[in-house]
Amino acid sequence: DAKTTQPTSMDCAEGRAANLPCNHSTISGNEYVYWYRQIHSQGPQYIIHGLKNNETNEMASLIITEDRKSSTLILPHATLRDTAVYYCIVRVFYGQNFVFGPGTRLSVLP
Amino acid sequence: NAGVTQTPKFQVLKTGQSMTLQCAQDMNHNSMYWYRQDPGMGLRLIYYSASEGTTDKGEVPNGYNVSRLNKREFSLRLESAAPSQTSVYFCAESREINTGELFFGEGSRLTVL
Repeated sequence: DAKTTQPTSMDCAEGRAANLPCNHSTISGNEYVYWYRQIHSQGPQYIIHGLKNNETNEMASLIITEDRKSSTLILPHATLRDTAVYYCIVRVFYGQNFVFGPGTRLSVLP
Repeated sequence: NAGVTQTPKFQVLKTGQSMTLQCAQDMNHNSMYWYRQDPGMGLRLIYYSASEGTTDKGEVPNGYNVSRLNKREFSLRLESAAPSQTSVYFCAESREINTGELFFGEGSRLTVL
């Protein structure tokens, strides 16, 4: 699996967009970028995934650079309930098991 | 996470005791997983089951056994608990093995004294 690098922690003001970066400079052509989050001590929750095109769903947007070496997860209007640890994972679609690193701890501040 | 149910939610054991964590899913999916999460760390895969009747080791299988009882249920057993197994255990499932979306349970918090 390609490895990812994420900042340890970030703050965001409530109502503002939260932009969470992820570096995956060794990503292979058939590897997808996945994002999960873990709120407090609950089980992780799937957010979004993409291969090379930008993706959007009801939770977030995923922006992948043209060279695919990095990506950004965007929460357009962060709320206090978005405070969580966010995990960026790269792997092939039908592939190896997910490897969850330490992630980014996002704190949404009132 | 309503589709994955774990029991018990909390458990305290003494060193050497045994116990089984139960996991059941109601989404009729094929694949199930057991992860553990230690404080401040990401999740590590213990065992997984691609489909009913099959099980495979993950990253940290030592000290654990699993049973895929049927399509719905996947249990994790600690035969002789050790303090190093103090952790939060998460069960997860997916439509097929290692497809893109995992659904997790709420976790089982185990303390071994």
